[in-house]
Amino acid sequence: GAGVSQTPSNKVTEKGKYVELRCDPISGHTALYWYRQSLGQGPEFLIYFQGTGAADDSGLPNDRFFAVRPEGSVSTLKIQRTERGDSAVYLCASSLENGSFYNEQFFGPGTRLTVL
Amino acid sequence: AQTVTQSQPEMSVQEAETVTLSCTYDTSESDYYLFWYKQPPSRQMILVIRQEAYKQQNATENRFSVNFQKAAKSFSLKISDSQLGDAAMYFCAYRRKRRGSNYKLTFGKGTLLTVNP
Repeated sequence: GAGVSQTPSNKVTEKGKYVELRCDPISGHTALYWYRQSLGQGPEFLIYFQGTGAADDSGLPNDRFFAVRPEGSVSTLKIQRTERGDSAVYLCASSLENGSFYNEQFFGPGTRLTVL
Repeated sequence: AQTVTQSQPEMSVQEAETVTLSCTYDTSESDYYLFWYKQPPSRQMILVIRQEAYKQQNATENRFSVNFQKAAKSFSLKISDSQLGDAAMYFCAYRRKRRGSNYKLTFGKGTLLTVNP
C-alpha cells in the first residue's frame, strides 16, 4: 500500500514569507507526528496528533509554527514569517494509535525547506 | 527528559566485514523501547531493528543485531557482512512505553556509515 507522502519535496522561500508543508499519512493511522531535522542533527519532535487534535505541541519552537489536521488524516504544518534558522528537513510520520511495540512509526521522505 | 547520545559521527567498514555503532541513552523510566533507524540520501527513515527494554534477549534481524546493556544504558548496533547498500546515516532512538503518553521518538545525532568496496 501507499506509504506516508509529503509535499512539496523541496521548498525555497524568502525570509519573512509564509509556507505550508503537507503530510498524507498511511490510511487508517490515527497518530501523526512532525519532526524537524536540522543539518547534521537527528530529527527533533515538533507536534503529535491523535485524530484531529494536537495531543502534544510542546516541540513547536515558537508561535510562528502551527499545525492542523482537520479531518484526522492529512496534516499541514504552517510556518509564518519564516527565518533562515527554519531551514531544515521537516519529516512526518504516522502510526496506529495504541503505542504497541509493533506499531512502528512510518516516515515520509520529508520536505527540505530553505529560507533565503 | 530522555536523551540519546551517539558518540561516533562517522564510521567506515570494508564490504563483508562487521561494524558496531554505539549508542547510549539516559532515562529515569524502567520500561521503554529502543530503535535503530537508517536514513539513506533519499531521506526516508527506515526502521532497522527494535528492542523492548524489559526483554533481556538481544534483538536480531538478519545481519543486524544489537547489544543491549540496560544497566549501562547502552544500545549498540552490529552490522555483519556489511554491504554497499548499508551505507547511510544511522540513528538510535528512544520511545516511552507508558500507555497514554506521547509516543514520540527521541533521536541521537546519528552516525554516518561508509562501506568501502
